[in-house]
Parts: sequence; C-alpha cells; structure tokens
Amino acid sequence: AQSVTQLGSHVSVSEGALVLLRCNYSSSVPPYLFWYVQYPNQGLQLLLKYTTGATLVKGINGFEAEFKKSETSFHLTKPSAHMSDAAEYFCAVSDTDKLIFGTGTRLQVFP
Amino acid sequence: KAGVTQTPRYLIKTRGQQVTLSCSPISGHRSVSWYQQTPGQGLQFLFEYFSETQRNKGNFPGRFSGRQFSNSRSEMNVSTLELGDSALYLCASSFYREVYNEQFFGPGTRLTVL
Repeated sequence: AQSVTQLGSHVSVSEGALVLLRCNYSSSVPPYLFWYVQYPNQGLQLLLKYTTGATLVKGINGFEAEFKKSETSFHLTKPSAHMSDAAEYFCAVSDTDKLIFGTGTRLQVFP
Repeated sequence: KAGVTQTPRYLIKTRGQQVTLSCSPISGHRSVSWYQQTPGQGLQFLFEYFSETQRNKGNFPGRFSGRQFSNSRSEMNVSTLELGDSALYLCASSFYREVYNEQFFGPGTRLTVL
C-alpha cells in the first residue's frame, strides 16, 4: 500500500532563510505526488504536484519540489521564507483514485 | 468562480446523536471526496462520490455514510456519534475522477462531540 512519511512535525526558520520540508513516500507503482498547504481555519490548497515529466516541479508562492525516485523523496523547498509562509504543509501520494496524506509539518517563521 | 462551500462551519453534538454535513462543490465539478482530519490520525479519506455514485470508500465504520445529489452537492452523515468523531471534516471537489487532477478543498466543518 502507498504511504507517506513527513520527517519533522514542526520546523522553525527565520524570515529569509531556506525552507526545507521533507517527504518520503512508498509506492508500488509510479506515484503522483502532491504538496498542500493549510492555513488556520481553512481547507487545503494545492502548492504543486508531480505527475510525469520534469522531476523539478515549481509551484505557487515560490515553492518547488524535486521528485527523486532513487531516494523515494519529494522534499519541498523555498529559498527565502516569508512570514506569510507560516502554515501546515501536507505531502500526499496517489493510491489508485484517492490521496494518502502525510501527518503534516507545521512551519513557523520567525522575524 | 465560487469555491467549495461547506455548511455548517461548526457543530457541537452529544454522544449518540447523529449529524449531517453538507458540501457544495465548485460549479461543474462532479467528483466530491470527504476527509476526516484529527490531530492524532491526520487526514484520512472517507469516501468519494462521482455522478451520484460512491466510487471509493475509506476504512471507516458503517456509521459514516454519504450521498451525492444530481447537482453534485454532497452530504455526509454520521450516526450514533462517539467522542472520537470529533474532527475537522473536509470536502474536496474536482472536475474529473483521476487522482492526478487537483482537488479543491472547502474550509471544513469542525465537529465537536461532547
């Protein structure tokens, strides 16, 4: 069965610092991979997704992620954190016709 | 275009009661999925409806049920509520069923069971 592991339930960075949120997946078939963001009292918003093709995927708000099959990873990065990036981030993998989500990583950004 | 709407946003119920949550998808979207979000279990898939038919179901007891209407609006029902049912229930819609299509999430209904 497909699964997702997000390393680090909480990540703290200073404003302007690199953001790195880790995601490893397990899938018996070529996966579709997603990163979603959830702001307080809101639903999830898609940041980016990998389906096929280019392994470096660019998303909204300056985020990007790289699909590394050999490492079964899909880590999310942003070169320079902004205060508005503070939120919870979820990595997800496709499983037949539904999504399996990781447990989430809460990102804090300090001024 | 309007996003996914969920009503009500907040609910407080007591054990043993039942509850119905509503989801209106984005206009034109025919697939509606429901998820339960809790601090302990994270986001878990409940079920998916497409063209008024349940196409996929997660690992939840039969107390959790749903339906979809001809206008794609969906409801989920939880009967005989338990304390552990306290959660944020999220609805997501998409135009196609294929999982690589973006799902658009509503703000959720926060259910508290006392």
